[in-house]
Amino acid sequence: KQEVTQIPAALSVPEGENLVLNCSFTDSAIYNLQWFRQDPGKGLTSLLLIQSSQREQTSGRLNASLDKSSGRSTLYIAASQPGDSATYLCAVKDNYGQNFVFGPGTRLSVLP
Amino acid sequence: DAGVIQSPRHEVTEMGQEVTLRCKPISGHDYLFWYRQTMMRGLELLIYFNNNVPIDDSGMPEDRFSAKMPNASFSTLKIQPSEPRDSAVYFCASSFRYEQFFGPGTRLTVL
Repeated sequence: KQEVTQIPAALSVPEGENLVLNCSFTDSAIYNLQWFRQDPGKGLTSLLLIQSSQREQTSGRLNASLDKSSGRSTLYIAASQPGDSATYLCAVKDNYGQNFVFGPGTRLSVLP
Repeated sequence: DAGVIQSPRHEVTEMGQEVTLRCKPISGHDYLFWYRQTMMRGLELLIYFNNNVPIDDSGMPEDRFSAKMPNASFSTLKIQPSEPRDSAVYFCASSFRYEQFFGPGTRLTVL
């Protein structure tokens, strides 16, 4: 059974810092991995989708990497801003169906 | 497109009452998912549909929960009878080619 973990559970940084969020999964037979952002009391917003054949994806100040063999993905946020404060979740889709397994999330606070 | 639409946004009900949550997926999406999110258990997949057909309902906690998708633009999740432990945020998501898009959620409180 696929299990997804995220470290750290919470992170607080000053504005302007570059930071890395980590996502680990136990079964490397994944189809893709998706990073989401969730603001308090809101739904999930898709940030980046990485297919299993890809190594990384970039969108603006965000860069997500994928290493299937080691069961890891990282989300890199450059020049963090207070507006980046949210919970970031990763989710993996396996090869066997449409089952997406979510990590518990990392709660990020960017201090002005 | 307006994105995934869910209603109601908030629901407060008493134990034993029937609750119906509604979802309108993004037009053209062929998969629809129902999730539940709690502090204790995080985000859990309850059931998903492909082209209106339920594919995997193994995440539905018990027989009190049921979901339907009568057409491509509408789905319901019903809880009957509701219990306090059902209190959570319920999300609907739809996808096309494996990227999921979430609705704003329904916050359910069962007293």
